[in-house]
Amino acid sequence: TQLLEQSPQFLSIQEGENLTVYCNSSSVFSSLQWYRQEPGEGPVLLVTVVTGGEVKKLKRLTFQFGDARKDSSLHITAAQPGDTGLYLCAGVNAGKSTFGDGTTLTVKP
Amino acid sequence: KAGVTQTPRYLIKTRGQQVTLSCSPISGHRSVSWYQQTPGQGLQFLFEYFSETQRNKGNFPGRFSGRQFSNSRSEMNVSTLELGDSALYLCASRRPILAGVPGELFFGEGSRLTVL
Repeated sequence: TQLLEQSPQFLSIQEGENLTVYCNSSSVFSSLQWYRQEPGEGPVLLVTVVTGGEVKKLKRLTFQFGDARKDSSLHITAAQPGDTGLYLCAGVNAGKSTFGDGTTLTVKP
Repeated sequence: KAGVTQTPRYLIKTRGQQVTLSCSPISGHRSVSWYQQTPGQGLQFLFEYFSETQRNKGNFPGRFSGRQFSNSRSEMNVSTLELGDSALYLCASRRPILAGVPGELFFGEGSRLTVL
């Protein structure tokens, strides 16, 4: 069974602060995806990382895939209230996605 | 381009009943996956269908079943409902692989099931 552990589980910060969310596994994944889910909606893809050591930036969000393709991190710079939501990482192997338990982020104005 | 559509959005059942949930994927997507989301267990994979065949299956009891039709629409059924089946059931269709990059999952808004 491939498990993904996300930390922290809950994060509450003030607008303008920086934060990092971690996604760790003992399994190797061919790729890793990050999704964000808002209340009452399904998760929406933010990014896919494929290569070990890969870094992708999406405006204030920076995603990194570990060299061994077992872990990933999401860093948000100068968080805004609109960043509030549930962040999910998903490891992909053979077309199957395994999700972490998620990090619930609350950004207070 | 229409997104993934799930029906019904909300439903209430009692223990012992059965329920059928429906999912219409994005046009052109042949892969449909189902997930159960609960506060305590996160997003748990139920099964995936591709071209009317079950391709992957999660660790759920046989009370949970699904099927896919020739137009890629999918249904999942839960029989003999238990209180613990209360959850948000999410359906997702997957974009085909492009240049070796796995397709992303496009999720519907989910069907929220409450079992009393």
